[in-house]
Amino acid sequence: KAGVTQTPRYLIKTRGQQVTLSCSPISGHRSVSWYQQTPGQGLQFLFEYFSETQRNKGNFPGRFSGRQFSNSRSEMNVSTLELGDSALYLCASSWGQGAEQYFGPGTRLTVT
Amino acid sequence: AQTVTQSQPEMSVQEAETVTLSCTYDTSENNYYLFWYKQPPSRQMILVIRQEAYKQQNATENRFSVNFQKAAKSFSLKISDSQLGDTAMYFCASPIIQGAQKLVFGQGTRLTINP
Repeated sequence: KAGVTQTPRYLIKTRGQQVTLSCSPISGHRSVSWYQQTPGQGLQFLFEYFSETQRNKGNFPGRFSGRQFSNSRSEMNVSTLELGDSALYLCASSWGQGAEQYFGPGTRLTVT
Repeated sequence: AQTVTQSQPEMSVQEAETVTLSCTYDTSENNYYLFWYKQPPSRQMILVIRQEAYKQQNATENRFSVNFQKAAKSFSLKISDSQLGDTAMYFCASPIIQGAQKLVFGQGTRLTINP
């Protein structure tokens, strides 16, 4: 079974731009979660989608948004990029509540 | 606040030795899951082991085992016969809130296995 895939793997953007990251979960998994990883803040939860509905949300500004499609693929969008948004963005999928999450390889976003 | 704490920022052992990584957490839930993830230099987060809080038996996966002390809210990872490929960042994580998929991670322990 194919693992979680994320595209693109690397991205360089300029302050003020917006960016969209994509995540395809493991086949059969309906829950997709997003995390931001930085050296200073560690791993922080952004949001989780299940059956196209946002079920949980972390403590991030409204510039961070996401959605999930009927095939469980998910996208996250960051608008008006700031230097502090430079991070590794990890997507994880699972089959349901309480189940272990399987992570993709991440998207490395650099904001200049 | 629900927290997960790893008190060992870095550890280093010789190949074939046994090493134990510590993790404590805080939750008011009665039933929850606890996980150890490994993140090698490739940055791919890999699930190492899972423990369900209602199970008294400690989880084991090959060379990896946990020591789960529910009353003490402690969840340590033991790696036996360590191998060079075990070199990685190790994160303890838990949803903290029952049924939620919002994982709270510890700050991580950088483990180096020396030849």
